[in-house]
Amino acid sequence: GAGVSQSPSNKVTEKGKDVELRCDPISGHTALYWYRQRLGQGLEFLIYFQGNSAPDKSGLPSDRFSAERTGESVSTLTIQRTQQEDSAVYLCASSLGLAPLSTDTQYFGPGTRLTVL
Amino acid sequence: TQLLEQSPQFLSIQEGENLTVYCNSSSVFSSLQWYRQEPGEGPVLLVTVVTGGEVKKLKRLTFQFGDARKDSSLHITAAQTGDTGLYLCAGSGTYKYIFGTGTRLKVLA
Repeated sequence: GAGVSQSPSNKVTEKGKDVELRCDPISGHTALYWYRQRLGQGLEFLIYFQGNSAPDKSGLPSDRFSAERTGESVSTLTIQRTQQEDSAVYLCASSLGLAPLSTDTQYFGPGTRLTVL
Repeated sequence: TQLLEQSPQFLSIQEGENLTVYCNSSSVFSSLQWYRQEPGEGPVLLVTVVTGGEVKKLKRLTFQFGDARKDSSLHITAAQTGDTGLYLCAGSGTYKYIFGTGTRLKVLA
């Protein structure tokens, strides 16, 4: 079975341009997470979807960041007017959405490496 | 704000040596997970610990959850070059995990 896939794998853009990152979760997974990982560091939570609703957007760094999810399928993370500090790997994970959380396993995609020049 | 600090940040050891990585917080977590991440890939779950004082073993890896559920450790016995990677702990919130700062391990042949 297919795992979580993300596209593109690498994206180089110029400062000020908009970028859109895509995540295809594992089929049947209701929960979807976006994280940001700066070079050599841990994961920074951005946003969580349960189905197509996002009960927690508190991790989004600024109003330049937004995310959508279509049903229990594809999600896109959009960064408008990119800045150099946005350079990072953006990771997506999906899970069955079980409760309690300790019983729910997140499966991660390989990430999109974003470089803003 | 819940934070998880990992130590050491970097660790370089010879194959065959033992090592311990620590994950500490001032907050209580209902469960804690350990992941390993290799370059160019997403993190992969190694273990979830739920009960204070719990010890889980996965081959040469031993995971312990502190009695107060604020800290955890990962001990690797007789490290191998294949253990090289970024080790991340993550504590559970209501519906999301808070990730630690990471420990980058390099095992030299």
